[in-house]
Amino acid sequence: GAVVSQHPSRVICKSGTSVKIECRSLDFQATTMFWYRQFPKQSLMLMATSNEGSKATYEQGVEKDKFLINHASLTLSTLTVTSAHPEDSSFYICSARDEQRLKDEQYFGPGTRLTVT
Amino acid sequence: GQQLNQSPQSMFIQEGEDVSMNCTSSSIFNTWLWYKQDPGEGPVLLIALYKAGELTSNGRLTAQFGITRKDSFLNISASIPSDVGIYFCAGSLQGGSEKLVFGKGTKLTVNP
Repeated sequence: GAVVSQHPSRVICKSGTSVKIECRSLDFQATTMFWYRQFPKQSLMLMATSNEGSKATYEQGVEKDKFLINHASLTLSTLTVTSAHPEDSSFYICSARDEQRLKDEQYFGPGTRLTVT
Repeated sequence: GQQLNQSPQSMFIQEGEDVSMNCTSSSIFNTWLWYKQDPGEGPVLLIALYKAGELTSNGRLTAQFGITRKDSFLNISASIPSDVGIYFCAGSLQGGSEKLVFGKGTKLTVNP
């Protein structure tokens, strides 16, 4: 149980284009999902909290117009990197909380490696 | 922002040895979680702790929630090569939101 998937696992795009990353909870419902960014040899940096049916909450310094988050259902959240630039290249990871467990545990997806050329 | 102090930053051990790593904070936490991350993968939850003083095991892994609620440790006994990876502690702050605060990670290398 508590499986989270991400798609795609890797994506290469050109500067100026937009990329959408999907995060799905496969065997549980998740009102809340989280989007992280991880640079090489560093810890996870929370970008935003995705709330089903409402606007995402962004961390300080994260541009909400650049990183669009949509949480349209209890099992799907998407992160769209708009007008991507090489500095957006990174490892993006989502996580989800199992609402039934009422615990703080977050279950992570396998991550998406974004490379902007 | 709030951070957890995780140590050591890296460890190089021989197969069969025991390993210990810990996280500390100046703030009180409601929850301590330990994750393992393999290269190019997302973190995998190893152990979750919810009560001060709680000691929980998962196979060769043992973790404890410090009595002061400001620290936690993770022990790995009889290490094997597949234990290689980066271990992260994470916690949710008392009175805080559902967000997790992460340590900087401990990179474990196991020599066969």
